[in-house]
Amino acid sequence: AQSVTQLDSQVPVFEEAPVELRCNYSSSVSVYLFWYVQYPNQGLQLLLKYLSGSTLVESINGFEAEFNKSQTSFHLRKPSVHISDTAEYFCAVSKTSGSRLTFGEGTQLTVNP
Amino acid sequence: DAGITQSPRHKVTETGTPVTLRCHQTENHRYMYWYRQDPGHGLRLIHYSYGVKDTDKGEVSDGYSVSRSKTEDFLLTLESATSSQTSVYFCAISADLDTEAFFGQGTRLTVV
Repeated sequence: AQSVTQLDSQVPVFEEAPVELRCNYSSSVSVYLFWYVQYPNQGLQLLLKYLSGSTLVESINGFEAEFNKSQTSFHLRKPSVHISDTAEYFCAVSKTSGSRLTFGEGTQLTVNP
Repeated sequence: DAGITQSPRHKVTETGTPVTLRCHQTENHRYMYWYRQDPGHGLRLIHYSYGVKDTDKGEVSDGYSVSRSKTEDFLLTLESATSSQTSVYFCAISADLDTEAFFGQGTRLTVV
């Protein structure tokens, strides 16, 4: 079985500040790691994923996450956030590379002016 | 939302009544999933389907049943709704187990 823990339920930050959303996982087998974003009243969208290769993965809108196997972590970072980044972010794991996901509890990121 | 339509988008129902939620896809994807989203729990898998008439349970399947008679439709039924089933329900689809899952916009169900 696998599980995901997102260490912060809410993260308020000011615009243009850096942010880190923390995610730790546990699993008895190798897993793939994902970050999804949910904007208000919408479904989830894939933000980025780690399947193999470089442990640092990036999204098109400036987020990045680093897979750390020894610490079983997959923290999400952005050096400078915008108001439009306000959303709920979910970390997820899967034994396959795409679906049957196990999600964390979610982190609400609120970017204030 | 990758050709996924959930209906209804909002529903209020009374305890003990049956409820059916529908997920319709136009992508011809093999896999379809039902998740529920609750504060403090993230999304949890209820049931999934890997083909017409082929379904399996997820981690929170008690009180729910599903059916898939056509590739494009995946129905989630609450036989006798309870207040604990008040939640937001998301449908997702994927071409295969090794491909990205796409999510619908969700159905907000309130059981009173």
